Amino acid sequence: AQSVSQHNHHVILSEAASLELGCNYSYGGTVNLFWYVQYPGQHLQLLLKYFSGDPLVKGIKGFEAEFIKSKFSFNLRKPSVQWSDTAEYFCAASSNTGKLIFGQGTTLQVKP
Amino acid sequence: NAGVTQTPKFQVLKTGQSMTLQCAQDMNHEYMSWYRQDPGMGLRLIHYSVGAGITDQGEVPNGYNVSRSTTEDFPLRLLSAAPSQTSVYFCASSYGPSLGYEQYFGPGTRLTVT
Repeated sequence: AQSVSQHNHHVILSEAASLELGCNYSYGGTVNLFWYVQYPGQHLQLLLKYFSGDPLVKGIKGFEAEFIKSKFSFNLRKPSVQWSDTAEYFCAASSNTGKLIFGQGTTLQVKP
Repeated sequence: NAGVTQTPKFQVLKTGQSMTLQCAQDMNHEYMSWYRQDPGMGLRLIHYSVGAGITDQGEVPNGYNVSRSTTEDFPLRLLSAAPSQTSVYFCASSYGPSLGYEQYFGPGTRLTVT
């Protein structure tokens, strides 16, 4: 069955620390990968996406992610986090059926 | 464009009551989906639609019905509400395969079933 797994459920960092959130997927065939962010009290917004081409994708607010096909991974990174990055982060994947499946989410708390 | 709109924003139901959560989009997207968000479980797909007149089940369809009579609207019906359906519900619409089904989300409906 198709699935998405996020390893870290709750991450606490100090401002300026580097961030890496893990995401693994289990899909056969073509896969499209996404990272969404949900700030407190708001709905989901797209951070970045991977369809094809360069496996290193850059998104908004300084985030990037790398698609490693051999590891079935799509980890999210940011070199230096800010207090305003406090939010919940979701990895998601879709195949050619139109169904988007989400991971469990990672809550990031950045301490000023 | 309003994007994806959902009504109501908040709703309290008693066990056994029925209701319909409304969702509309004005982006002419073919694909629409309903998710529920529960703490520690991420977003789980309830039902989705690949076009008017076509719907299919997601990961957690039991207790919910959908229909898609127009491209714009995709209502979600709770047939007989149960406390386990207390959740935040998000509707989303998306482009098709050429853009990898990138989804746009509505603001959500917070439902409490007592």
